[in-house]
Amino acid sequence: SQQGEEDPQALSIQEGENATMNCSYKTSINNLQWYRQNSGRGLVHLILIRSNEREKHSGRLRVTLDTSKKSSSLLITASRAADTASYFCATGLVGGKLIFGQGTELSVKP
Amino acid sequence: NAGVTQTPKFQVLKTGQSMTLQCAQDMNHEYMSWYRQDPGMGLRLIHYSVGAGITDQGEVPNGYNVSRSTTEDFPLRLLSAAPSQTSVYFCASSYRAGGSGYEQYFGPGTRLTVT
Repeated sequence: SQQGEEDPQALSIQEGENATMNCSYKTSINNLQWYRQNSGRGLVHLILIRSNEREKHSGRLRVTLDTSKKSSSLLITASRAADTASYFCATGLVGGKLIFGQGTELSVKP
Repeated sequence: NAGVTQTPKFQVLKTGQSMTLQCAQDMNHEYMSWYRQDPGMGLRLIHYSVGAGITDQGEVPNGYNVSRSTTEDFPLRLLSAAPSQTSVYFCASSYRAGGSGYEQYFGPGTRLTVT
């Protein structure tokens, strides 16, 4: 079974709207990372939040982490068509491994 | 800096053939890893290396071999290709393991089809 599961699997919004993606996981983590993948390309790191942090911001991105619920969310504010991509959460485990979820496909329509 | 490079970009193999996917990085990263990406499965870790001469298995290592003779290179060998190995393969590198809090830098991927 997957360590990280993302919800929704697909999300379609209009430009200017906010997009929220959620990630749930099963075991204790050291950190949680979010990555973006444009179609046909490799993954690009967006933001990392450590297990002792609750919220982190980077530009239009806001990530929250609730270790008691074993969940995280990624909020993209004021979405643009260029934000269209797949977004993956990855849980960083004790021992070093990084385990990815199945991803959320975001489509932002102009 | 070229970052993480992978060759080839595309490859078609027949069942039973062997091949090596190449991965190189020029960032002097100690940690390198191989993932495969399949629809609906996210990325799954195949093998990883914490430094030259040291490799270990990930979630799905069967059918694959790796070696790390230099810091820069981390090739992935398919011993006897099977249709179940049809996938997109990504190599990644980092100063340390992602679980230790380091971001991973990904290559562009190799799309492999086994017929």
